[in-house]
Amino acid sequence: AQSVTQPDIHITVSEGASLELRCNYSYGATPYLFWYVQSPGQGLQLLLKYFSGDTLVQGIKGFEAEFKRSQSSFNLRKPSVHWSDAAEYFCAVGPPAYSGAGSYQLTFGKGTKLSVIP
Amino acid sequence: GAGVSQSPRYKVAKRGQDVALRCDPISGHVSLFWYQQALGQGPEFLTYFQNEAQLDKSGLPSDRFFAERPEGSVSTLKIQRTQQEDSAVYLCASSPGLAGASDNEQFFGPGTRLTVL
Repeated sequence: AQSVTQPDIHITVSEGASLELRCNYSYGATPYLFWYVQSPGQGLQLLLKYFSGDTLVQGIKGFEAEFKRSQSSFNLRKPSVHWSDAAEYFCAVGPPAYSGAGSYQLTFGKGTKLSVIP
Repeated sequence: GAGVSQSPRYKVAKRGQDVALRCDPISGHVSLFWYQQALGQGPEFLTYFQNEAQLDKSGLPSDRFFAERPEGSVSTLKIQRTQQEDSAVYLCASSPGLAGASDNEQFFGPGTRLTVL
């Protein structure tokens, strides 16, 4: 069965510092990969996604992520964090279209809570 | 435009009560998902609709959980005889096309926080 591991439960960074959030997945093939952000009381917002092609993907709000097949990782990065980035971040995987699965739900990690020090 | 909306936003139920949670997806979206997010956890899949057809209900935790989307738009998640372990945020998501398409993003609602006392 597929699984997603986000090893860091809580990360605190200073405003302006760089950020990297880790994500490792277990899957039988190369899945579709996603990063979502969730602010308190809000739904999940898609930051970026990877399906195929260039392994470095750009997203909204200045985020990027790099897919590394050999490490089964999809880490999220941002060069300079803003106070408004404080939120919870979720990595997720979904089956690729050719899998023939009956449905295409996302499997999420447990999330990493980001705190930003002014 | 309007996003996915869910109501109520908060629901407190006594153990044993039945509850109904509503999801209004983005107009015209074919696919609709329900997820359950327990405190401190990531969302977990419950069920999937393609228009009015419930194609996957493998994530529903027990037969007390029931979901419907009779006209292919609004969906209702019903929980009968609620238990304390049902306390969670219930998220609804919709997407414009068939699930699995490579450009098919899931748009999430704000969720309904259910507390069972």
